[in-house]
Amino acid sequence: KAGVTQTPRYLIKTRGQQVTLSCSPISGHRSVSWYQQTPGQGLQFLFEYFSETQRNKGNFPGRFSGRQFSNSRSEMNVSTLELGDSALYLCASSLRGDGQETQYFGPGTRLLVL
Amino acid sequence: GESVGLHLPTLSVQEGDNSIINCAYSNSASDYFIWYKQESGKGPQFIIDIRSNMDKRQGQRVTVLLNKTVKHLSLQIAATQPGDSAVYFCAENRGIILTGGGNKLTFGTGTQLKVEL
Repeated sequence: KAGVTQTPRYLIKTRGQQVTLSCSPISGHRSVSWYQQTPGQGLQFLFEYFSETQRNKGNFPGRFSGRQFSNSRSEMNVSTLELGDSALYLCASSLRGDGQETQYFGPGTRLLVL
Repeated sequence: GESVGLHLPTLSVQEGDNSIINCAYSNSASDYFIWYKQESGKGPQFIIDIRSNMDKRQGQRVTVLLNKTVKHLSLQIAATQPGDSAVYFCAENRGIILTGGGNKLTFGTGTQLKVEL
């Protein structure tokens, strides 16, 4: 079974632009979560989607948004990019999303904001 | 201001020795814990998990111990190999607590494991 895939793998943007990142979960997985990883803050939870609905949300500004499609694929969007948004953005999926099961991570999208 | 990187604790072990990586968690109501391994340039890779109704769980060469009294988690790696060199994170899932369901992992800062030949 293919793992979690994320596209693109690398991205360079300038301040003020917006960006959309894509995540395809493992086949059959219904929960998709997004995390931001930076040297300064470590791994931080952004949000979780289940059945096309945002179910959990982290402490990030409204510039960070996401959505999930009927096939469980998910996208996250960051508007009005800031230098501090440079990070590795990781997507994770799990089968039932019941909080008691393994979440599998993709390789991440490395975003550089100039 | 200038961002400062997290100071990752480093554990250096000789190849073949056992490694013990420790983690403290903050929420006594957390009920699901996971250890991940992250190699440079890759996403976190699942190693082992444990639920709060257990004290110990074993996998292949790895054991996780959970001490709920002091809110402490440890990962033991037997016969450490060069391929074990990576950053190890513990994580707790708070989704159940906060919303009655779902996933919301809170990660520790990580420990850099270096295996010396």
